[in-house]
Amino acid sequence: GAVVSQHPSWVICKSGTSVKIECRSLDFQATTMFWYRQFPKQSLMLMATSNEGSKATYEQGVEKDKFLINHASLTLSTLTVTSAHPEDSSFYICSAMLAGVSYEQYFGPGTRLTVT
Amino acid sequence: SQKIEQNSEALNIQEGKTATLTCNYTNYSPAYLQWYRQDPGRGPVFLLLIRENEKEKRKERLKVTFDTTLKQSLFHITASQPADSATYLCALGDSSYKLIFGSGTRLLVRP
Repeated sequence: GAVVSQHPSWVICKSGTSVKIECRSLDFQATTMFWYRQFPKQSLMLMATSNEGSKATYEQGVEKDKFLINHASLTLSTLTVTSAHPEDSSFYICSAMLAGVSYEQYFGPGTRLTVT
Repeated sequence: SQKIEQNSEALNIQEGKTATLTCNYTNYSPAYLQWYRQDPGRGPVFLLLIRENEKEKRKERLKVTFDTTLKQSLFHITASQPADSATYLCALGDSSYKLIFGSGTRLLVRP
C-alpha cells in the first residue's frame, strides 16, 4: 500500500516553455500533497503544500506564478513549471499523506527536469 | 532559524556490523521525527516515525531513538547488509504536517 506515482519520470524542455508534472496516490486518498525540489547532493526543500480543493500554500522564496500547483482530486496533484529556465533544472518530488490520520508522507519516484 | 544536522556526510562499515546514524536539531520543537531511505535518482522511502513522547521504535533490523532533551535522534541498522547502502534522511515535522529534512548520511556497507 501507500504507493505514489509521478509522471513523467524525466523531461527535457527548451527555455521559455512550460512543463507539467503529475503526482498520483494510487491506493489511498491523499488530503494533502507536498512538492519538493532537490538539487544534486542536497536535501529536499519543500516548495509548497497542496490541499485538495483549495489553493496551494507556497514556502518563502518560491514563486507561485512560476510554479503552478493544482490539487483537483484526492488522488491527483499537478505542478506546472511555467516559462522554464535552465536554473529550474532539478529533481522534483511529490509526497502524499492522509492528514489527520497519520503523519507518514509517501513519496513519488521523482521527476528529473532539464531545461536547455 | 531551524537547523538539522546529520552527523556525517558518509559512513563506511563492514557487513554484519551495526550502522548508527545521528540527527541533531536546533531551534525547533518537533512533534515527530521520521527517517527515510533514498537511493540515487529516486524519491525517499519511508522507514520509521517516532513521536515526541516516544523514546524508541523498532522495525525488523531498524531501531530509532528520540531524545527531545538532547534534541537528537539515533538511527540504527543492525546486521547491516550491502543492500542497506543508500542515503538516509531524517526529517522533522509538527502539526502543520510540513517536513524539514536533514542533508542526509550516505551509508556504504562493504561486503
